[in-house]
Amino acid sequence: DQQVKQNSPSLSVQEGRISILNCDYTNSMFDYFLWYKKYPAEGPTFLISISSIKDKNEDGRFTVFLNKSAKHLSLHIVPSQPGDSAVYFCAASATVSLVNTPLVFGKGTRLSVIA
Amino acid sequence: GAVVSQHPSWVICKSGTSVKIECRSLDFQATTMFWYRQFPKQSLMLMATSNEGSKATYEQGVEKDKFLINHASLTLSTLTVTSAHPEDSSFYICSARSGGVLQPQHFGDGTRLSIL
Repeated sequence: DQQVKQNSPSLSVQEGRISILNCDYTNSMFDYFLWYKKYPAEGPTFLISISSIKDKNEDGRFTVFLNKSAKHLSLHIVPSQPGDSAVYFCAASATVSLVNTPLVFGKGTRLSVIA
Repeated sequence: GAVVSQHPSWVICKSGTSVKIECRSLDFQATTMFWYRQFPKQSLMLMATSNEGSKATYEQGVEKDKFLINHASLTLSTLTVTSAHPEDSSFYICSARSGGVLQPQHFGDGTRLSIL
């Protein structure tokens, strides 16, 4: 049973437009969420995170929105650039135990930004 | 900052060989390191979590005698795949985290292991 779901395996967006990547989760204990970006043959690179006490976190062109009641989060990239083309992973963890809480990853969404 | 180096990036070896993969945090002290395995078109699956100086905690279904993890210092963890067989062929990736659970994990570039 997948606890973190990225239902769109791929997304194509024109350069300059907004990219919206979606992620749904099922475990109500999750309270810390992260987005990672991965290029081929490289490890994932941390992009942005959000804890459940917030509903929005912004860093430059990247904004993550969290809707706790819907168990849904999204990553907005605006404006999209060709260099943003990569696979984006959503990850979640439950930090309540304050111990080693593993990250649970979605399967990723491949974003292609077309010039 | 927050660079994690993983070595080697690609290994091809014969069945029955043991393979060691190193994961180093280059510019921070990693209190916790994680080892993942990724199958094609699948998400990263956590194999084990290790804290410096203590035994690793393995996820259900991961054989601890098969996948030996050592986290000897705050900057180095190793994963040894013992007596590797073709079914162990996969992409292995480590991550490291400094501080508490609200700190992000930083990933190495992964190791592609091919067992012939």
